[in-house]
Amino acid sequence: GENVEQHPSTLSVQEGDSAVIKCTYSDSASNYFPWYKQELGKRPQLIIDIRSNVGEKKDQRIAVTLNKTAKHFSLHITETQPEDSAVYFCAARKGMDSSYKLIFGSGTRLLVRP
Amino acid sequence: NAGVTQTPKFRVLKTGQSMTLLCAQDMNHEYMYWYRQDPGMGLRLIHYSVGEGTTAKGEVPDGYNVSRLKKQNFLLGLESAAPSQTSVYFCASSYSLTGSGANVLTFGAGSRLTVL
Repeated sequence: GENVEQHPSTLSVQEGDSAVIKCTYSDSASNYFPWYKQELGKRPQLIIDIRSNVGEKKDQRIAVTLNKTAKHFSLHITETQPEDSAVYFCAARKGMDSSYKLIFGSGTRLLVRP
Repeated sequence: NAGVTQTPKFRVLKTGQSMTLLCAQDMNHEYMYWYRQDPGMGLRLIHYSVGEGTTAKGEVPDGYNVSRLKKQNFLLGLESAAPSQTSVYFCASSYSLTGSGANVLTFGAGSRLTVL
């Protein structure tokens, strides 16, 4: 089955700096890669996603890149702000059949220092 | 429109006791999931359902059972609770496999379960 590894587990950056979180996946058939943000005590919420036919996607200060050959994808946050402090989860999913399952990485705790 | 609602929010059990977590969604979503969240281990899929009357095993199904008798409800049961099942449980739903937003999971607020 699919396995998703996420690094680093914790990341501390100065406000205004960039943050990069990386994930690798094991199943080459995976074709959908979302990122979820979970603020302290809150539920996870989708912030951006990318499909396997796209190499990069941007949404304001966040971007995701995908390298299918290497089976890894990354989340990039530019001009970080204190409100970006949260736990970020990457995930991967294979196919569009009845085995639909979203497998998550172990999470990255991002701290943005003011 | 409440989204995904989980009950109870908190529960303390003794080893061997049983309980049921209820997840209800009012978005007419086809797909529903139960995840558990443990420190350093992310969100792990316990069971999921692709429609009313169907269930399937996820990554960590042992010790849990589920039922989806109605489209809007997905129940997670612990028949004999163990301390290893102490966790935060999240229910989620999504509406289909195709179309814009099809893959987006809407999560409930979570249920914190402690097994002594």
